[in-house]
Amino acid sequence: GDSVTQMEGPVTLSEEAFLTINCTYTATGYPSLFWYVQYPGEGLQLLLKATKADDKGSNKGFEATYRKETTSFHLEKGSVQVSDSAVYFCALSDRFTGNQFYFGTGTSLTVIP
Amino acid sequence: GAVVSQHPSWVICKSGTSVKIECRSLDFQATTMFWYRQFPKQSLMLMATSNEGSKATYEQGVEKDKFLINHASLTLSTLTVTSAHPEDSSFYICSARAPQGSDEQFFGPGTRLTVL
Repeated sequence: GDSVTQMEGPVTLSEEAFLTINCTYTATGYPSLFWYVQYPGEGLQLLLKATKADDKGSNKGFEATYRKETTSFHLEKGSVQVSDSAVYFCALSDRFTGNQFYFGTGTSLTVIP
Repeated sequence: GAVVSQHPSWVICKSGTSVKIECRSLDFQATTMFWYRQFPKQSLMLMATSNEGSKATYEQGVEKDKFLINHASLTLSTLTVTSAHPEDSSFYICSARAPQGSDEQFFGPGTRLTVL
């Protein structure tokens, strides 16, 4: 069945450091891929998405490229800020399974000044 | 973008009482909504899929008599935790499927339930 495997945290970085959070997936069909961010005590917010192979999603300095050959959707940011501290979830939506969402386990990021 | 609200944002109740959580799509009609449960420092667990005008579809292991879901209109789904117990304490998040043609879901801000 469909699944998402996400790099385990927690991750602690200094401000302006480079961030990579790994995400790989297994899917029956051709899924859409998402990164969601959850700030403390809040719900999930869509950070970025990609709907087909080689698409690059980007938002607020974050990027992720849909790599079909490696079934990956790694999240990157060149220079993190303290305000990026949050939990990041990789997810997929697969039309073959009725667009049900499958989430990774989440990666907690803490950025220190 | 589409907005989904939840009410209340947090609730504290006594063991044995029932609690109703509302999920509303504010600026679009949602034929399908989803209810998730999130334990501390863990991912979201899909509890059930709620379809407007029909019975909800529950995931394996979720007690449908304990977690009653009603989706009576295209903008409102409710989750009622019946006879709540401390182990039901959790963060409950709803989402609504985007209007036709999109594979996205829009998430509510979540409801923190604490059962004493």
